[in-house]
Amino acid sequence: DVKVTQSSRYLVKRTGEKVFLECVQDMDHENMFWYRQDPGLGLRLIYFSYDVKMKEKGDIPEGYSVSREKKERFSLILESASTNQTSMYLCASSSARGSQRPYTQYFGPGTRLTVL
Amino acid sequence: SQQGEEDPQALSIQEGENATMNCSYKTSINNLQWYRQNSGRGLVHLILIRSNEREKHSGRLRVTLDTSKKSSSLLITASRAADTASYFCATVSSSNTGKLIFGQGTTLQVKP
Repeated sequence: DVKVTQSSRYLVKRTGEKVFLECVQDMDHENMFWYRQDPGLGLRLIYFSYDVKMKEKGDIPEGYSVSREKKERFSLILESASTNQTSMYLCASSSARGSQRPYTQYFGPGTRLTVL
Repeated sequence: SQQGEEDPQALSIQEGENATMNCSYKTSINNLQWYRQNSGRGLVHLILIRSNEREKHSGRLRVTLDTSKKSSSLLITASRAADTASYFCATVSSSNTGKLIFGQGTTLQVKP
């Protein structure tokens, strides 16, 4: 089974801190994604990556950056955390390979981040 | 951007009843997927239906797709209390970028 892990389930940070959220997948997927989920707003794509060292902006990239130095790891960085970044952050991975379930995304358990 | 609209936003039924959720989308798609999310957890893939398919079954799940109406429905038969969760539809565009566009979700409560 595909496993996607996230570094923390719960995280509390202070305004202005630099925050790193780590995501690791073990299925050699080329695609990785970061979403945030807020009540009433659904899942919103922050950034995604199709390959190592490649990144593309999603719908709400402001205030975030990402890093993908290795294929299995995709990091989300909050350069200077703000209270409006309090949210549930979800990481996912997928592959275009295989004809049975193209682009099915496999999600991590999520990190609930609170910025005080 | 969120292109999916799900209906209803919330659904409450008794155990044993069937639950139907609907999803509409706006652009041409390669496939449509349904995911489930238990409270406070990540999403789990349930079923995928390709644009050239009209109906698909998996256990107690039945998915239909009407590309002319740009809509899909998810039917859960003989629901159980353990089916209580949020359900999301997500589309992969015809351009096959790998991005999923998620709907807002339907929250299903199954009462024992």
